[in-house]
Amino acid sequence: NAGVMQNPRHLVRRRGQEARLRCSPMKGHSHVYWYRQLPEEGLKFMVYLQKENIIDESGMPKERFSAEFPKEGPSILRIQQVVRGDSAAYFCASSPRGQEEKLFFGSGTQLSVL
Amino acid sequence: DQQVKQNSPSLSVQEGRISILNCDYTNSMFDYFLWYKKYPAEGPTFLISISSIKDKNEDGRFTVFLNKSAKHLSLHIVPSQPGDSAVYFCAASVNYGGSQGNLIFGKGTKLSVKP
Repeated sequence: NAGVMQNPRHLVRRRGQEARLRCSPMKGHSHVYWYRQLPEEGLKFMVYLQKENIIDESGMPKERFSAEFPKEGPSILRIQQVVRGDSAAYFCASSPRGQEEKLFFGSGTQLSVL
Repeated sequence: DQQVKQNSPSLSVQEGRISILNCDYTNSMFDYFLWYKKYPAEGPTFLISISSIKDKNEDGRFTVFLNKSAKHLSLHIVPSQPGDSAVYFCAASVNYGGSQGNLIFGKGTKLSVKP
C-alpha cells in the first residue's frame, strides 16, 4: 500500500498523558499536513511541514501541541498533557512538490481521552 | 466564523437520479475549491476541484459549478450510484506563498443513494 500511513488507528489516553501520532507520507511526497476533525465538524487545518521545516503552523493550538517531520522517519504530532477536548480524529495528508493543492489523506488516528 | 458552509447535513437520492450538493463561502480571497468524499473509518479522498478562473469543471459523472458572484459552488453527480453514499466535504483555499495545503473545510453533507 503506497498511500499515506497513519498509526495507530486508535489511541486511548488518560487525562494528563502524552499522545504521539505518526504519519508516513506517500512515496515521493515531501509535504505533510495535519488536520483535526472534532465530532460533527469539518476538518480543521493544524500544521504544514516539509522535511525538517515547519512551513505553516497557524492552526496549531499555542500550548501542548507540537509537530515535526524529521529528515528520516515519519512525521509526528505530539500532544502533551491531553485533555478530554483533544478527543478527535487526526488526519495526516501529503502532497507532491508543486501540487500542494492535491492532498492525499491517511485513514486517521482516533484519539480518545478518558 | 465559518468561512465554508454546507447547510444540508444530509441528502437522500434515488439511484440513477442526480445528486446536487451545495456549498457557500464567505471569503472572497478563496481562489481554489475542492470536493472530497469520505467513507466511514477512512480519510477523505480527493474528488474534483475548480479554480476561480473557471465556472465549471467536469470529470465523468462529477461536475462542479462555481458562481463567484454568489460565492456558491455545487457538486453534481449524475447518475447517482449506491457506491456514492458517503460524506462529501467542500473545501477552499487561498493561493499565497505556496500554502495551498491549508484548506478550509465545510462540515460535510452525508449523501445516501438508495437502490
